[in-house]
Amino acid sequence: QITLKESGPTVVKPTQTLTLTCTFSGFTLSTSGVGVGWIRQPPGKALEWLALMYWDDDERYSPSLKSRLTIIKDTSKNQVVLKMTNMDPVDTATYYCAHRRRGFNGYEWYFDYWGQGTLVTVSS
Amino acid sequence: AIQLTQSPTSLSASVGDRVTITCRASQGLSHALAWYQQKPGKPPILLIYDASSLQSGVPSRFSGSGSGTDFTLTISSLQPEDFATYYCQQFSSSPSITFGQGTRLDIK
Repeated sequence: QITLKESGPTVVKPTQTLTLTCTFSGFTLSTSGVGVGWIRQPPGKALEWLALMYWDDDERYSPSLKSRLTIIKDTSKNQVVLKMTNMDPVDTATYYCAHRRRGFNGYEWYFDYWGQGTLVTVSS
Repeated sequence: AIQLTQSPTSLSASVGDRVTITCRASQGLSHALAWYQQKPGKPPILLIYDASSLQSGVPSRFSGSGSGTDFTLTISSLQPEDFATYYCQQFSSSPSITFGQGTRLDIK
């Protein structure tokens, strides 16, 4: 059974760095093809992809946020950490981590298991 | 980056109706498009992947089709639990991922 859970601060101040942890179970992030992604959703708005972590330590970032994001995996702890620098009120959102589902060709990214999400508010 | 535009942005329908939601991509996609359902306060649920493959455990009244730039999600006979917001998502080989803006499905 695959589960994921996000944890981190509920409130951060503008300009601070946000650190979120995704703790998962039911899969191993060292297995070929496995991956974890981060997605966020501002209140009442659409989903926005942030970052991907591959089993082989490869990382990919949303081009619009790349300069502010770092994704790190700790296989021994079954965790993936997302750091976002220089937080702004527009970054207020629910942040989700999710498990990768590959498609027919094996290189696709879809998300078949999601954490419940954590609401992060950016406010002074 | 590839943009996804969903239409309509909202619609009202009745239980038993057949409903179709469209997702148009700004560039041609191969097949790497998914559909999700989301209810308030909950994470999204994967319904369809690879444009037309039904995710395990998803009712067969949900189906997906399309290729190139135009994709559709069809619900053959709406059930009360289907009233939600639906999102499409594409994956391209940069790699890059984008979501559509969502389609809210309400009870008429």
